Amino acid sequence: DSGVTQTPKHLITATGQRVTLRCSPRSGDLSVYWYQQSLDQGLQFLIQYYNGEERAKGNILERFSAQQFPDLHSELNLSSLELGDSALYFCASSFGLAGDNEQFFGPGTRLTVL
Amino acid sequence: AQSVAQPEDQVNVAEGNPLTVKCTYSVSGNPYLFWYVQYPNRGLQFLLKYITGDNLVKGSYGFEAEFNKSQTSFHLKKPSALVSDSALYFCAVRDTGRRALTFGSGTRLQVQP
Repeated sequence: DSGVTQTPKHLITATGQRVTLRCSPRSGDLSVYWYQQSLDQGLQFLIQYYNGEERAKGNILERFSAQQFPDLHSELNLSSLELGDSALYFCASSFGLAGDNEQFFGPGTRLTVL
Repeated sequence: AQSVAQPEDQVNVAEGNPLTVKCTYSVSGNPYLFWYVQYPNRGLQFLLKYITGDNLVKGSYGFEAEFNKSQTSFHLKKPSALVSDSALYFCAVRDTGRRALTFGSGTRLQVQP
């Protein structure tokens, strides 16, 4: 158990809909990262927050957005969903801002868009 | 741009034999290198990292990795494989100018009894 929690574990929805994925980092970790894992794209970094502020952006679509709240939990919002958004979405956390700290991954949310 | 290559989609090894999972990287500055393992239906678990110092890094579950700057490689090794080591292994890199990790495509390790 990494100490990172993600809810829900599974999400099935239809194209065009909007969903919210939630992540609680390990106690004491200030950085939260979101990743998307799919068969064709592999594991891709989406976005990083540190202590409530966006700090790095990867291959995140404009239809996707995220935020980190004062209690440090984070939410990833996916809107206007397409079939291709079906994937495993992982949240990871680490203590510092820099990337030399290992990241601890949650169990993921499996999103299926029908 | 930073990148990671894992040239083998799958590695098969017999239990008790040594294993190597290959990784090469490309970064513009000094690399921070990581290995993670993913078991079925689980998130990634950290195995080891290289930031600076000794080229041979020891990690969890008996794994180690050798950093080779001239060959830009960071191969994962274990002297004696276990069936329970069967999983998906990811190499990742971060250069000093970025905070995000770039992951390789993953290598599936299959250890046969």
